[in-house]
Amino acid sequence: ETGVTQTPRHLVMGMTNKKSLKCEQHLGHNAMYWYKQSAKKPLELMFVYSLEERVENNSVPSRFSPECPNSSHLFLHLHTLQPEDSALYLCASSQADRGTGELFFGEGSRLTVL
Amino acid sequence: AQSVTQPDIHITVSEGASLELRCNYSYGATPYLFWYVQSPGQGLQLLLKYFSGDTLVQGIKGFEAEFKRSQSSFNLRKPSVHWSDAAEYFCAVGAGDTGRRALTFGSGTRLQVQP
Repeated sequence: ETGVTQTPRHLVMGMTNKKSLKCEQHLGHNAMYWYKQSAKKPLELMFVYSLEERVENNSVPSRFSPECPNSSHLFLHLHTLQPEDSALYLCASSQADRGTGELFFGEGSRLTVL
Repeated sequence: AQSVTQPDIHITVSEGASLELRCNYSYGATPYLFWYVQSPGQGLQLLLKYFSGDTLVQGIKGFEAEFKRSQSSFNLRKPSVHWSDAAEYFCAVGAGDTGRRALTFGSGTRLQVQP
C-alpha cells in the first residue's frame, strides 16, 4: 500500500469510447502527476498539477484530458484514443515546495486500446 | 535540462552474486537522485535517495548507492542478489521539489536473476 490508489487497474476500450482513469492519494501531498509507460520506452511525464494548478503539459495529444478537482484526486479523461496509446498509466504524488521531490506512485492502470 | 542515462538495458546475474547497476546524470547543480524498482505490472517503489550528506546511501532490501560528483554517477549496488530482486530498476534525477518540475527518469535496467 503506497498511499496512492489508481482505478481501474485494467481497462480495455475501443477507439470511439470515452473512459476515465482515477487516482487518489492519502498522503496529504499537494502535487500530482500522470506518467505514461510504454514497452521499451522511458517513463514519459504527461501532466503535473501543483496546488491544483496545471503546471506542466508535455505536448500531450488533446485526446488525453486531465482534471484535478482537489489536491487528493486526479483524473485522466480518455476519448478517441489510438492503439499506440495502449500503455501503463502511472499516477504519482509529492509534496510541492519542500522536500526532495520524491514521488510516490500508484500501481498503475493498464490501458489497452483496440 | 536534467537527464539520466542507464547504459545497461538488460543485466543477468546469478543468485548470490553481487550486482551493480549504472546511472549517469546531467544536471547543473547538486542533484536529488533516486533509485526506484518496478515489479511486473506494478508501480514504482522507492529503493533509496540522495540529496545531501554522506555520498553512500543505504536503502531498502539491502541495496546501496554511491553518489560520485566527479563522475556524475549514482550507481546502485547489492552484495548478494536474491531471486526476488528480478525486476526493472529506474534511476531518476530531480532539482528538489519546486512544485513545478517532476523527476526525470532513465530508461531502466531490467534485472534477471539466474538460479
